[in-house]
Formats: sequence, C-alpha cells, structure tokens
Amino acid sequence: DVKVTQSSRYLVKRTGEKVFLECVQDMDHENMFWYRQDPGLGLRLIYFSYDVKMKEKGDIPEGYSVSREKKERFSLILESASTNQTSMYLCASTTGQSARREKLFFGSGTQLSVL
Amino acid sequence: DQQVKQNSPSLSVQEGRISILNCDYTNSMFDYFLWYKKYPAEGPTFLISISSIKDKNEDGRFTVFLNKSAKHLSLHIVPSQPGDSAVYFCAASFSGSRLTFGEGTQLTVNP
Repeated sequence: DVKVTQSSRYLVKRTGEKVFLECVQDMDHENMFWYRQDPGLGLRLIYFSYDVKMKEKGDIPEGYSVSREKKERFSLILESASTNQTSMYLCASTTGQSARREKLFFGSGTQLSVL
Repeated sequence: DQQVKQNSPSLSVQEGRISILNCDYTNSMFDYFLWYKKYPAEGPTFLISISSIKDKNEDGRFTVFLNKSAKHLSLHIVPSQPGDSAVYFCAASFSGSRLTFGEGTQLTVNP
C-alpha cells in the first residue's frame, strides 16, 4: 500500500511565523502535490512537482513556497503565516505514468491554525 | 472560475436506499473524471473513475455516469450503507494534467 505521511496532524502557529509542512511518500512516485481544503471551496492546488528540484505553481500559490530536494519528500513553506492560511493542508502523490497519474494518494492532512 | 461544481453541499439518505451525488463541469476539454471519498481526520481516497469515451463505469455498489452533452456526472451508491457517510469530491482532468476538484458533498446515510 502507498503511504503518504505528513509530519504533523495539528499545528498552531502565530502570525508572522515561518511554517514548514513536511510530506514523505514511500512509493517512488514522481509527482507530488500540496492542496488546502476549506469548507465550501473544496480542494485547491497550491504547488506541485513532477520531479526532484522541480516545482510549479498551482491555483493559489501566493504566500507559499515549496522544496523538493529528494524524490520522496515535498515540503510546503509558509514564509510568514497569516490568519487566512488557517486550513487543512493535504499532501498527495502519484505515479508519473500518464494512465494512472490522476489517481492521487493523499496523506491524512495537517490542520494548521494561525493565531 | 469554478470549472467543477458540486451544487449540493449535503445529502441525507436512508440506509438501503440509493444515494445520487451530482457534479457539473464547464471545461469541455476534460477527458477523465474521478470521485474521491473523505472521512474526517483522513485524506481523500480514490473511489471510482471514468474516461470521457465511456458513459458509465460500475464497481460494486458504486456507479459513475457521464453525460458529456450536459457536462454532468453523477455517482450512484446502491444500496447506501452508514459506512458510506463521508464527503465526496468529484475531480476532472484533461490529457493527464493536474486534477480540478469540486467543493465536495457531505453524504449522511441514516440507519
């Protein structure tokens, strides 16, 4: 079974702090994604990566950055946390083979509260 | 611009009856559609998918229907069980691109 592990289940941070959300997958997937889930808005893509050291902006990248130094690890960084970044953050991965790349495997999520 | 919309935030059905979850899309380039299920405190899990060359795909109690002319897909669960209570997200992509998700529908199946 594919396992996508997010380092924290709950996080509470203060406005202006730099926040790191870590994600590790164990299936040698090429593609990794960061989404946030908000009530009434569904899942919105923040950033994604199709390869090591490669990153692309998603639909809502403002206020975020990412790092992919190793294939299995994809980190989301909030440079200066703000209250509107309070959300559930979900990491996902999938194989690079196009026939199956849409079937994402998700981690359990990190509920971030910014006070 | 919300390209994938789930207009019903919630749906409540009785155990044993049919659950029908709906999803509409606006981008005619979408050629692959998926449904994910999400329980509280867990990440979404893949449920069922359909290619645009088909109009129906069935997997046990779950069937997805695609109406390309109406840009509409639906997920049927028959019979519904209490364990099906979850948030259901539809998603779409084209040419293997990244997924676009809908807002989600909270399904509650009452015993």
